[in-house]
Amino acid sequence: NAGVTQTPKFQVLKTGQSMTLQCAQDMNHNSMYWYRQDPGMGLRLIYYSASEGTTDKGEVPNGYNVSRLNKREFSLRLESAAPSQTSVYFCASSTPSGGTTGELFFGEGSRLTVL
Amino acid sequence: GEDVEQSLFLSVREGDSSVINCTYTDSSSTYLYWYKQEPGAGLQLLTYIFSNMDMKQDQRLTVLLNKKDKHLSLRIADTQTGDSAIYFCAETLGGTGGFKTIFGAGTRLFVKA
Repeated sequence: NAGVTQTPKFQVLKTGQSMTLQCAQDMNHNSMYWYRQDPGMGLRLIYYSASEGTTDKGEVPNGYNVSRLNKREFSLRLESAAPSQTSVYFCASSTPSGGTTGELFFGEGSRLTVL
Repeated sequence: GEDVEQSLFLSVREGDSSVINCTYTDSSSTYLYWYKQEPGAGLQLLTYIFSNMDMKQDQRLTVLLNKKDKHLSLRIADTQTGDSAIYFCAETLGGTGGFKTIFGAGTRLFVKA
């Protein structure tokens, strides 16, 4: 019963390096999300994908790009990492509201440090 | 704009009741949620309330919704040390672009034995 799987769980980067966080869900959910969690700021939405083939900016999209590869997979890319992007990143998925509760299912998080 | 606010810390003694409060700004929210995050883990849905309800009870949990004041609260009866965690208030906003969930900063609950 995998749910939402994120890789890698931990990563250390140098400023200017690039990397991609991978996320996959096996619940046949339409919508997928990337959040970052910082102390005292809770979760902030970076990007979301309401359905396969669409992506939209959230609250803090600068410095990130996303790809909805297929219904299962939604990746987050940092093209040129900065220390301000040191954070814990969470991927989540859900079915849209309207007949469902809109509950989000989260992965375990990816802890990224940018030196 | 969309905003969800909650206090950052709450400390209670084991066996007491805990009340975590939240205010939100978007009156069009369909659902309001409480998520729980234990150390080193992702968030898990604890309970939710539909916007046309005033109260929902689920075992030790009571959710109260005051739509006029845009205030949501979570009461945990007989709080246990296992309830120590971060509790996030959240609302889901709908639109033609899809649905997105906005979270508060989270309230860290400390339960003293």
